[in-house]
Amino acid sequence: EAGVAQSPRYKIIEKRQSVAFWCNPISGHATLYWYQQILGQGPKLLIQFQNNGVVDDSQLPKDRFSAERLKGVDSTLKIQPAKLEDSAVYLCASSLDPTSTYEQYFGPGTRLTVT
Amino acid sequence: AQSVTQPDIHITVSEGASLELRCNYSYGATPYLFWYVQSPGQGLQLLLKYFSGDTLVQGIKGFEAEFKRSQSSFNLRKPSVHWSDAAEYFCAVGDNTNAGKSTFGDGTTLTVKP
Repeated sequence: EAGVAQSPRYKIIEKRQSVAFWCNPISGHATLYWYQQILGQGPKLLIQFQNNGVVDDSQLPKDRFSAERLKGVDSTLKIQPAKLEDSAVYLCASSLDPTSTYEQYFGPGTRLTVT
Repeated sequence: AQSVTQPDIHITVSEGASLELRCNYSYGATPYLFWYVQSPGQGLQLLLKYFSGDTLVQGIKGFEAEFKRSQSSFNLRKPSVHWSDAAEYFCAVGDNTNAGKSTFGDGTTLTVKP
């Protein structure tokens, strides 16, 4: 089966610009996650969707970050305006079910550099 | 709040030697525990997981991990390391009461010497 797809793979922007990332999960996976992975750290959950509803967005900086999952399939994560500290790899993952018993499958990530 | 500590930032072992990566967790109930591997430029791949039952868990690529409740640990082991095992390894604890939220450690980078 096809894995989790993400685009773009790399993005360089200047601070205060906006950027968007796209994720297409594995077919049939109801749960979708966006993580931020800063260099030298583990992934940190930004937002979790179950179908097209938000389950957890407690760590999403809502003043600048937004995410949507229209029709319960693919998803976009947007940053507007970007700050230097947003430089990180943004990982998308999906799973069949939101409970921890189901494996999360990760995409390759988008590496964002903010200058 | 749940948390994970991986005490070793970087470990170097010789090819063919045994490996143990340490993981300590903090969680109020019986945890769900995971080990993931991340190769450069790649996403994370699940190596193994523990939910309940036998405390020694077998995973892919010859890895195993042992859950020790008394020590709040879930250390990853491999008896003989291959050069292809060089990567970053992440331990994670999953919330078994909330919608599967996982908290990751900061990872251990494994270097394999020829």
